[in-house]
Amino acid sequence: NAGVMQNPRHLVRRRGQEARLRCSPMKGHSHVYWYRQLPEEGLKFMVYLQKENIIDESGMPKERFSAEFPKEGPSILRIQQVVRGDSAAYFCASSPFRNRGNTGELFFGEGSRLTVL
Amino acid sequence: ELKVEQNPLFLSMQEGKNYTIYCNYSTTSDRLYWYRQDPGKSLESLFVLLSNGAVKQEGRLMASLDTKARLSTLHITAAVHDLSATYFCAVDLQENTDKLIFGTGTRLQVFP
Repeated sequence: NAGVMQNPRHLVRRRGQEARLRCSPMKGHSHVYWYRQLPEEGLKFMVYLQKENIIDESGMPKERFSAEFPKEGPSILRIQQVVRGDSAAYFCASSPFRNRGNTGELFFGEGSRLTVL
Repeated sequence: ELKVEQNPLFLSMQEGKNYTIYCNYSTTSDRLYWYRQDPGKSLESLFVLLSNGAVKQEGRLMASLDTKARLSTLHITAAVHDLSATYFCAVDLQENTDKLIFGTGTRLQVFP
């Protein structure tokens, strides 16, 4: 019973390159959340997606960042033209329900750690 | 804007001692969560508190929620080294349950 799977676990990019982070939710989960954790800080909400829909992207930077969750395949967080300030851990979480169901619990992946040189 | 503040931010405590971590939040919410994070790892769900007065205990950890005071506590009893980690509280926005808002985190170090 696999949990939330993220890859790559570690990614190194030079400034100006693109970073693609992938997230496969738990089996049966169709709701995906992306969070960013800067060093020594808490997690900050970025975007909430359902299959083929962006529900809430209020935490996404307006430029260079995009997210998708296609009908088939994993959710992808894409960062174009990365800068040093993008260096962070990016966590994906999933839920089987809209509004995360009765308990509201989120199940997190291991995270993807992006380092921008 | 919802703010979630934890204190202390850093806590170094001796094995066997008791201590409490506090989580204050700035707007109405009925649901609060505690997570544990080990260095370089993901977040592990510890407690889900769904109503005013909720109290939950697991081993040496006990969490409580006072929605009127907008305060949750995580109490550590007779700390052991294995409890060393960073602890986060997270809160639902009552009017928007799409996302959790996380606190700043409390880094706990337990030494012999």
